[in-house]
Amino acid sequence: AQKITQTQPGMFVQEKEAVTLDCTYDTSDPSYGLFWYKQPSSGEMIFLIYQGSYDQQNATEGRYSLNFQKARKSANLVISASQLGDSAMYFCAMRSTRGSNYKLTFGKGTLLTVNP
Amino acid sequence: NAGVTQTPKFQVLKTGQSMTLQCAQDMNHEYMSWYRQDPGMGLRLIHYSVGAGITDQGEVPNGYNVSRSTTEDFPLRLLSAAPSQTSVYFCASSYSRLGSPSYNSPLHFGNGTRLTVT
Repeated sequence: AQKITQTQPGMFVQEKEAVTLDCTYDTSDPSYGLFWYKQPSSGEMIFLIYQGSYDQQNATEGRYSLNFQKARKSANLVISASQLGDSAMYFCAMRSTRGSNYKLTFGKGTLLTVNP
Repeated sequence: NAGVTQTPKFQVLKTGQSMTLQCAQDMNHEYMSWYRQDPGMGLRLIHYSVGAGITDQGEVPNGYNVSRSTTEDFPLRLLSAAPSQTSVYFCASSYSRLGSPSYNSPLHFGNGTRLTVT
């Protein structure tokens, strides 16, 4: 079975500093995708960044980067130069070909608070 | 560029009432799905569809029905609402390649429907 673990229920960071949100995963499928979503207090789910299991380089999207360590089964999200608008819940998720429902398996999330 | 549109945004039902949550996407995505989000439970898959005319159950399908008559629309029906169905519901869609959803395609979510059953 697929499993996503986010061990940090809450994180605090000062504005303009970098922060790392942890994510570990478990799957027996060799082909999978790892995703990070942001959920602000308004409730919508916003896709941030994707990393494929066969990708050799870490993914980056603007201020977001993904520190992918396949052997350790970790996919940590790094947010550089934090902004007040980054305060939100962040979810790590995984999708694979194993099983027929193609679902995203989500972690329980990390609540990030950016302090001025 | 609408993406995934869900209606209504809020709904209050009495126990035993039925209703339909609407979901439409304009990205020509073949894969569509419904999740519910509950505190401490994360997001759980209710039903999904890999194309028009094809639906299947997810993790928590009891009490819900779906149909997929067009590529664009994927409504979720609550047959007889119960307080346990109080939740936030998300519709999500993704790209498919050659008729199969791709593991490297992100799900695009609607803005959610907050449902309260009293």
